[in-house]
Amino acid sequence: SQQGEEDPQALSIQEGENATMNCSYKTSINNLQWYRQNSGRGLVHLILIRSNEREKHSGRLRVTLDTSKKSSSLLITASRAADTASYFCATPRGGATNKLIFGTGTLLAVQP
Amino acid sequence: DTEVTQTPKHLVMGMTNKKSLKCEQHMGHRAMYWYKQKAKKPPELMFVYSYEKLSINESVPSRFSPECPNSSLLNLHLHALQPEDSALYLCASSQEEASRPYFGPGTRLTVL
Repeated sequence: SQQGEEDPQALSIQEGENATMNCSYKTSINNLQWYRQNSGRGLVHLILIRSNEREKHSGRLRVTLDTSKKSSSLLITASRAADTASYFCATPRGGATNKLIFGTGTLLAVQP
Repeated sequence: DTEVTQTPKHLVMGMTNKKSLKCEQHMGHRAMYWYKQKAKKPPELMFVYSYEKLSINESVPSRFSPECPNSSLLNLHLHALQPEDSALYLCASSQEEASRPYFGPGTRLTVL
């Protein structure tokens, strides 16, 4: 299976704390994407980082990519209760940005 | 209009029923997808349509039959499903095959 692994599987933090999720993947990629999913609903695209980028920011999100280790991390700073969701990394299958292989996901719970 | 819509939101069907899931986008995207997501698992790609032609079928059983009547619509026809087919079915679209997908909210399917 080409499916990526994410850790931790579940993370519980207090509002205001930072949350870090990690993703490891198996094949060479040209980009990696992060998605959020609220309680069994649709996927919301958060950020796309290309293989020639090491770090990318979007609001309270910071994503890093280490292609030599085939890993990525998502940092959410100053978390809010509304950040409670499942977070998935996704990599293109066969280099195709639109055909995604999703990681196993991290379930984040932010306690108010 | 930057959204993908899916109907119905919820569907309960028996194993002998025939039903259809519908997906629509008006972003001018030329690629559309069906993903299946079982509980507590990541989404898995089922079908890809590009320019209204089926380009990928991920060895999906024939009881699932996709159809792309035009560039804005994608259907998934269901017949003789099994209880293990119960899942969240996500539709997505992208501008072309090299672009990242936009996901709809999903249809929660329960097969009794």
